[in-house]
Amino acid sequence: SQKIEQNSEALNIQEGKTATLTCNYTNYSPAYLQWYRQDPGRGPVFLLLIRENEKEKRKERLKVTFDTTLKQSLFHITASQPADSATYLCAFRGDSSYKLIFGSGTRLLVRP
Amino acid sequence: EAQVTQNPRYLITVTGKKLTVTCSQNMNHEYMSWYRQDPGLGLRQIYYSMNVEVTDKGDVPEGYKVSRKEKRNFPLILESPSPNQTSLYFCASSSPSGRSPYEQYFGPGTRLTVT
Repeated sequence: SQKIEQNSEALNIQEGKTATLTCNYTNYSPAYLQWYRQDPGRGPVFLLLIRENEKEKRKERLKVTFDTTLKQSLFHITASQPADSATYLCAFRGDSSYKLIFGSGTRLLVRP
Repeated sequence: EAQVTQNPRYLITVTGKKLTVTCSQNMNHEYMSWYRQDPGLGLRQIYYSMNVEVTDKGDVPEGYKVSRKEKRNFPLILESPSPNQTSLYFCASSSPSGRSPYEQYFGPGTRLTVT
């Protein structure tokens, strides 16, 4: 079955450093991947979408890469701030056009 | 303001007592979905709808019903809730068009406890 995996261990980094989160998928070749941010008790908020023919996408301090050979997407936050502390989810559209499959998320903690 | 609303936000109920969680979006989106989120399991799709009167099962549909009589509303119905349906529920809407197709707009969540 289609699976998407994120590191379940929290990532703890110092303010100002670059945070890198990993999303791996198996048994599928998605046309695109999405990344969301989720704060405790709140709904996820869309951040970025990257298509399979795009190697890299940027938005302000965020950067996403998509390696279809490795079946992996990396999510980077440069110059991280304590306000970036949250759980980050990746997702891809499965074989049904209307079904989005989410990873379980990686919690990021940025220390001041 | 573009938004997805859910009601109620918090609900404590007893086993077997039918309940409905409402969801409404004001973005004229074609697609709407319900998810549940449990620790360690992430977001799992319960049901989704492609348009009015068109719905389909997600990954965990057992024990749930949905309807889509109007484009803006997508209620989630638990006919006979059980304790294993205690969870955090999210409604979401999206559209296939635009720069970020299928970007999900999530509601604020409904925390349900079934005792």
